[in-house]
Formats: sequence, structure tokens, C-alpha cells
Amino acid sequence: AQSVTQPDIHITVSEGASLELRCNYSYGATPYLFWYVQSPGQGLQLLLKYFSGDTLVQGIKGFEAEFKRSQSSFNLRKPSVHWSDAAEYFCAVGVTNAGKSTFGDGTTLTVKP
Amino acid sequence: DTGVSQDPRHKITKRGQNVTFRCDPISEHNRLYWYRQTLGQGPEFLTYFQNEAQLEKSRLLSDRFSAERPKGSFSTLEIQRTEQGDSAMYLCASSPRLGSPYEQFFGPGTRLTVL
Repeated sequence: AQSVTQPDIHITVSEGASLELRCNYSYGATPYLFWYVQSPGQGLQLLLKYFSGDTLVQGIKGFEAEFKRSQSSFNLRKPSVHWSDAAEYFCAVGVTNAGKSTFGDGTTLTVKP
Repeated sequence: DTGVSQDPRHKITKRGQNVTFRCDPISEHNRLYWYRQTLGQGPEFLTYFQNEAQLEKSRLLSDRFSAERPKGSFSTLEIQRTEQGDSAMYLCASSPRLGSPYEQFFGPGTRLTVL
């Protein structure tokens, strides 16, 4: 069965600093990978996705992620964090032929002024 | 805005009562998913539909839970004889027709509190 691990429960960064959120997945076939962001009390918004091709994918709000098959990782990065980026971030792996996703438990991002 | 909508946004009920939630997907999407999210965890898959057919149900979906999508458009999720452990955010998502990438568009969720 597929699984996703987000090792960091909570990360604090200063505004303007760079950010990297870690994600490791376990899945037997070629994965479909996603990063979502969730603000308090809200649904999930898709930041970016990887299906195939270029392993560095660009998303919305200045985020990017790199797929590394050898490490089973799909880490999310942003070069300069803004206070509005404070939220919870979820990595997910999509199951082929079903479309459902398995999510990690999330990383809460706090941005210091 | 023609995103996924869910109703109600919040529901408070007493233990033992039945509750029903509604989800309206994006109109051209034929797949619809229900997830449950508890505090401090990521969403957990409950069930999904392709058109009106319910194709998969998670083991999380006990006999007290039932979901329908009668005309392949909106869906309802009913919980009978609610328990305090049912308190969670219930998220609905939809995705485009088969053949498109499995990108899911989420609604704002229904937060259920069982007293």
C-alpha cells in the first residue's frame, strides 16, 4: 500500500528566508505526486503536481518541488517566504487507476516577521 | 466561481443523531471523492464515485456511513447514530474525466462536531 511521510510536523522560518518542506513516499509504481496548502478552517488548494517528465516542477505562489526517484522524495521549496505562506502543507501520492490520493500528516509552517 | 461547494460548512449534533452532508462538484467532473480529516492529520480517503457508481469504499467507512451520487452530479454523505469519534472535517473533491491527470479539486469542507 502507498504511504507518505512528512518528517517535519512544524517548521518556523523568518519572512524572506528560504523554505524546504520534506516529503517521502512509498508506492510501487510511477507516482503521481502533489503538494497542497490548507489555511485554517479551509479546504485544500493545489500548489503543484508531478506526473512525468521534468523532475523540477513549478507551482503557484512561487513554489517549486523536485521529484527524486532514487530517494523517493518530493520536497517543496520556496526561495523567499512571505507572511501569507503561513499555513499547513500536505504532500500526497495519487493512486493510479483510482484517482484517490494518500496524504501525509502535514507540516505546519509558521513565518516570523 | 464554479468550484466544489459543500453544505453545511459547520454542523453540531448530539451523539446518536443522524447527519447528512452535501457536495456539489465542478460540473464537468465525473469523479467525486469524500475524505475525512481529523485534527493534526492529513485527509483520509473514504469513498469515491465515477458518475453515479460508487467504485471504492475505505474500511474507515463503517456501516453507519453511506454515500450516494444518484444522478452523477451532487453527492450526499450520511452518518447514522453519530459518535464523538465522528467529529472531523469532511472534505469533498472532484476530478476531471478519466484520461486526465488525477488532480483533485477540493471543497471547503464540512466541520462536524458531535457532542
